[in-house]
Amino acid sequence: GAVVSQHPSRVICKSGTSVKIECRSLDFQATTMFWYRQFPKQSLMLMATSNEGSKATYEQGVEKDKFLINHASLTLSTLTVTSAHPEDSSFYICSASPTGPNEKLFFGSGTQLSVL
Amino acid sequence: QKEVEQNSGPLSVPEGAIASLNCTYSDRGSQSFFWYRQYSGKSPELIMSIYSNGDKEDGRFTAQLNKASQYVSLLIRDSQPSDSATYLCAVGSSGGSYIPTFGRGTSLIVHP
Repeated sequence: GAVVSQHPSRVICKSGTSVKIECRSLDFQATTMFWYRQFPKQSLMLMATSNEGSKATYEQGVEKDKFLINHASLTLSTLTVTSAHPEDSSFYICSASPTGPNEKLFFGSGTQLSVL
Repeated sequence: QKEVEQNSGPLSVPEGAIASLNCTYSDRGSQSFFWYRQYSGKSPELIMSIYSNGDKEDGRFTAQLNKASQYVSLLIRDSQPSDSATYLCAVGSSGGSYIPTFGRGTSLIVHP
């Protein structure tokens, strides 16, 4: 299967700081990548769709100014959580598909964010 | 609103038994269907994809699709404790969205 790499796997930060999470497709090009958030024992929640060379599309209720997404190349998307607060603590996961819309998604290993 | 429904469980089966996981969906035009496994604290991992009615087997896993009844299932034969995880059903959209819709997942516990 395709490989999606995500870093860091775990980050602890102080309230008010910003955290950047990287997502890379290692063996395929991804014009579109997806960012999810998952709270403990909860389902995956799609946050936004990252589009290479254009603005991200955010799901309803997700603050675009707080969760900055940049997709500068066909293999890299970044999610920056700005001015993080304890309620932003969650498991963030990126995904991408090597084969197109509504096809199998491959997920990064996830980033556990803890905001103190 | 496209929906994918799964029983949250937990589904508990003894080691060696067949685990049967079910999923129903609302989008009649869906053409792609996927099963993912997610261990606690880890990200989802693709197990199976299925596109045509009937059964598709891969090792101990069998995916079953019935588009007329709008359900897809996953059978796990000879269940092992290592199969204990949450199983997510995902259904491709027939229009508008280009990302599959995920169910909430079914927790499976395989006890020795």
